[in-house]
Amino acid sequence: QQQVKQSPQSLIVQKGGISIINCAYENTAFDYFPWYQQFPGKGPALLIAIRPDVSEKKEGRFTISFNKSAKQFSLHIMDSQPGDSATYFCAPKDGEYGNKLVFGAGTILRVKS
Amino acid sequence: DVKVTQSSRYLVKRTGEKVFLECVQDMDHENMFWYRQDPGLGLRLIYFSYDVKMKEKGDIPEGYSVSREKKERFSLILESASTNQTSMYLCASTTGNYGYTFGSGTRLTVV
Repeated sequence: QQQVKQSPQSLIVQKGGISIINCAYENTAFDYFPWYQQFPGKGPALLIAIRPDVSEKKEGRFTISFNKSAKQFSLHIMDSQPGDSATYFCAPKDGEYGNKLVFGAGTILRVKS
Repeated sequence: DVKVTQSSRYLVKRTGEKVFLECVQDMDHENMFWYRQDPGLGLRLIYFSYDVKMKEKGDIPEGYSVSREKKERFSLILESASTNQTSMYLCASTTGNYGYTFGSGTRLTVV
C-alpha cells in the first residue's frame, strides 16, 4: 500500500513566487518528517525536517508546516529562485522499523526566471 | 567532508550476470541502506543494515541480496540481473538519529 502520497507531481513557479508541495501519510509510527532535495546526477540531500511535537519550522526561505491530526505536512519555498529547480521528496521516518525513510513519489519543481 | 561513495556512476550489464554494487561511507554510521529510484515511484527500499553482518529486507528485496562484512561497506548484489532491474541505485547511511547521507547513485542498465 502507498504509505506516503506526495503532490503535485510537477510544479512550475515564477521566480519570486511561492512553491508549495504537500505530503499525506497513513502510518502513525512515523516520527520524523524530512524533505529531501535532489539535483540531476546527485543523490537526495536533506533540506529541512520537523519533529511531530511542533507545527512549523522555518529555515531561511524554506518552511515545513505539519498537521498531525490530518497526517499531512507541506514544504513552502518562499521567493523561489531558479537554483531551487530540483526534485523534492517527502520521506517520513518509520520509528518502529529500522529507522527507514518512506519516500513519496517526488515533485519536480521548475522555477522560471 | 563526510561522504558516501558508490563505486560506479554507470554500469551496463547483460541479462543473467551477477552484479555487485559497492557503497562505502566514512562517517562511522551504523545504519546503511540501498534504495532504487524510478521515475514516478520515488525511492524504494531494497535492503538495509543496522550493524555489521546484519541485514533486513526492505520493501522490494526480490532478486537482490546484500553483504556487510565491515561497518563502512555495504554491497548490493543482483544474483541474476534482469531488464526490470534497470534503474538508479542509491546507497545511504545514517547514525539512526535522523538525517541520511546519500551517495550520488549508480545508474545500472541491464541489456
